[in-house]
Amino acid sequence: AQTVTQSQPEMSVQEAETVTLSCTYDTSESDYYLFWYKQPPSRQMILVIRQEAYKQQNATENRFSVNFQKAAKSFSLKISDSQLGDAAMYFCAHGAGSQGNLIFGKGTKLSVKP
Amino acid sequence: GAGVSQSPSNKVTEKGKDVELRCDPISGHTALYWYRQSLGQGLEFLIYFQGNSAPDKSGLPSDRFSAERTGGSVSTLTIQRTQQEDSAVYLCASSLVGSRETQYFGPGTRLLVL
Repeated sequence: AQTVTQSQPEMSVQEAETVTLSCTYDTSESDYYLFWYKQPPSRQMILVIRQEAYKQQNATENRFSVNFQKAAKSFSLKISDSQLGDAAMYFCAHGAGSQGNLIFGKGTKLSVKP
Repeated sequence: GAGVSQSPSNKVTEKGKDVELRCDPISGHTALYWYRQSLGQGLEFLIYFQGNSAPDKSGLPSDRFSAERTGGSVSTLTIQRTQQEDSAVYLCASSLVGSRETQYFGPGTRLLVL
C-alpha cells in the first residue's frame, strides 16, 4: 500500500526567506504522480505543483519548486521569497495510474512572519 | 470557468439524523472523488466515480455512508444515522479523465454532529 509521510507538523519562515517542506513516500507503483496542495484557512485545497515520476526534471511553478529524489522516495517543496499569503497547511499527495484516489500526508502548517 | 462547488457550506445536525452533501464537479470532468478531513488530519479517501464504471467504494467507513452520481455529473454523499465521529470537513474533487489527471477540489462542507 502507498503511504505518504510529512515529518514536520509545523514550520515557520521569515517573509522573503526560503523554506523547504519535507515529504517521503512509499509505493510499489511504477507509474505514479506526486502533488503538493495548499490549504489556507478557507479550507479550499489548491494545487501548488505536480510531478510525474517518469520525469527526471524537477517541476517548478514560479516561486515553488520541488526536489524529487526517486530512489530515496523523497519529494520536498521549496518556497522561495516567502510571502504572507503562503501561510497555510501544505499537503503532499501520491497518485498512481492503477488507483483513482490520492494518498495524502498529514500536512505541514506553514507560518510566515512579517 | 467555474470550479467544483459543494453545498451546503456548513451543516449542523443532531446525532441519529440523516444528511445529504452535494457536489457539482467541473463541467466535462468524468472523474469525481469524495474525501473526509477530520480536525487537524490529512484527507481520507471515501469513494471514487469514473464515468459510467462502478464506483470504487473501498474507502467508505461504514454502511451508513453511501454516494451516488446522477447523469455523470452531480454527486450526493449521504450519511445515515449520523454519529459524533462523523463530524469533519467533506471535500469533493473532480478530474478530467481519471487517476492520471490533477484533482481539483471544492471548498468542502463542514459537518458538525451534536
